Amino acid sequence: GAGVSQSPSNKVTEKGKDVELRCDPISGHTALYWYRQSLGQGLEFLIYFQGNSAPDKSGLPSDRFSAERTGGSVSTLTIQRTQQEDSAVYLCASSSFRELFFGEGSRLTVL
Amino acid sequence: AQSVTQLDSQVPVFEEAPVELRCNYSSSVSVYLFWYVQYPNQGLQLLLKYLSGSTLVKGINGFEAEFNKSQTSFHLRKPSVHISDTAEYFCAVSDGSYQKVTFGTGTKLQVIP
Repeated sequence: GAGVSQSPSNKVTEKGKDVELRCDPISGHTALYWYRQSLGQGLEFLIYFQGNSAPDKSGLPSDRFSAERTGGSVSTLTIQRTQQEDSAVYLCASSSFRELFFGEGSRLTVL
Repeated sequence: AQSVTQLDSQVPVFEEAPVELRCNYSSSVSVYLFWYVQYPNQGLQLLLKYLSGSTLVKGINGFEAEFNKSQTSFHLRKPSVHISDTAEYFCAVSDGSYQKVTFGTGTKLQVIP
């Protein structure tokens, strides 16, 4: 597809379960970003990839959060032992010369 | 460290009136500045960007912004708003040497008929 694709679009899980969120960036975009959008909190930076490496992981809220990117393309954000405060929309974006192209997001609800 | 401040969380304005959404940033190096818009139930999209050159930047849908280095501001303006401009607007900054993009907390523009 032409745009950034994220899956699942909606995920409802029980507290304590692990979840994986997937991002398929625009072909050829080397930079990939994950943000979290909570009500009233704006966009919270989580992690940034340049190719397969992550120069900046400073935004990951805790060690329950991890992300990887393989082949310079698809990225997966994993949240282990989910908590209710993890409920949010997780946004992925890929970049071409500093312009970010966002996906539609994955809405995570932790019950 | 870079940061962005959007002091106004909500801005109500009547249709056809002018609007200014404020954005101030901090960064220790040269910056690139952006405004993104999120329409209801849609993803974020770029409205305009400042990379270099003229400090007055024009974007889509009649919006413009002015980079003011001395005041570390990048305020967004439109001379006459439409109902369709109702959305949330996010200011963002990226420094000159590193691609991390930091967003503000957003300003919800509500256009009143």
